[in-house]
Amino acid sequence: NAGVTQTPKFQVLKTGQSMTLQCAQDMNHEYMSWYRQDPGMGLRLIHYSVGAGITDQGEVPNGYNVSRSTTEDFPLRLLSAAPSQTSVYFCASSFGLARPQHFGDGTRLSIL
Amino acid sequence: DQQVKQNSPSLSVQEGRISILNCDYTNSMFDYFLWYKKYPAEGPTFLISISSIKDKNEDGRFTVFLNKSAKHLSLHIVPSQPGDSAVYFCAASAGDDKIIFGKGTRLHILP
Repeated sequence: NAGVTQTPKFQVLKTGQSMTLQCAQDMNHEYMSWYRQDPGMGLRLIHYSVGAGITDQGEVPNGYNVSRSTTEDFPLRLLSAAPSQTSVYFCASSFGLARPQHFGDGTRLSIL
Repeated sequence: DQQVKQNSPSLSVQEGRISILNCDYTNSMFDYFLWYKKYPAEGPTFLISISSIKDKNEDGRFTVFLNKSAKHLSLHIVPSQPGDSAVYFCAASAGDDKIIFGKGTRLHILP
């Protein structure tokens, strides 16, 4: 059972480039979310989805885009990368919004 | 405004002793609380949770205590082991709303 799989594990981008962080889960969870973790800031919610076709903004959504075409996949798109988006990104899934979440191992992203 | 606060960025505890990690919250609507553990280069893993209808929940070496009047919860680890060295996140939610995380406390277990 793979759980939550995130790719890539590491990525370096130049300012202004775009990219997509991939997230897939095989637990048939309805709820998926993206967080960023910065030093001293904990885990901050970027976007989340309560099911296929339904997404909503979290605490820090600016500069990011998401879509949920299937239950399994929830990609996060950086539209025009900025140095402030240098962070570690975690994808998570669960059976409900207020249920324990399963996290992927993260994508470490550096924007130069 | 921070709704879930972990005021101790780090904590060092001797192996075999009790580790107590604290968490305060401001939102009186929170009714479900969780603790996650995170090792470097890995995602957080769920550790233990507690509903607001309880004041204690125990799972092996881990016990979470909830004091609703003080809006305070704590995680007790007894006895502390080297593998417990990690960052611990407190989290809370209100009803079916999304989970809010604290900033984390780094626990060091000393030999």
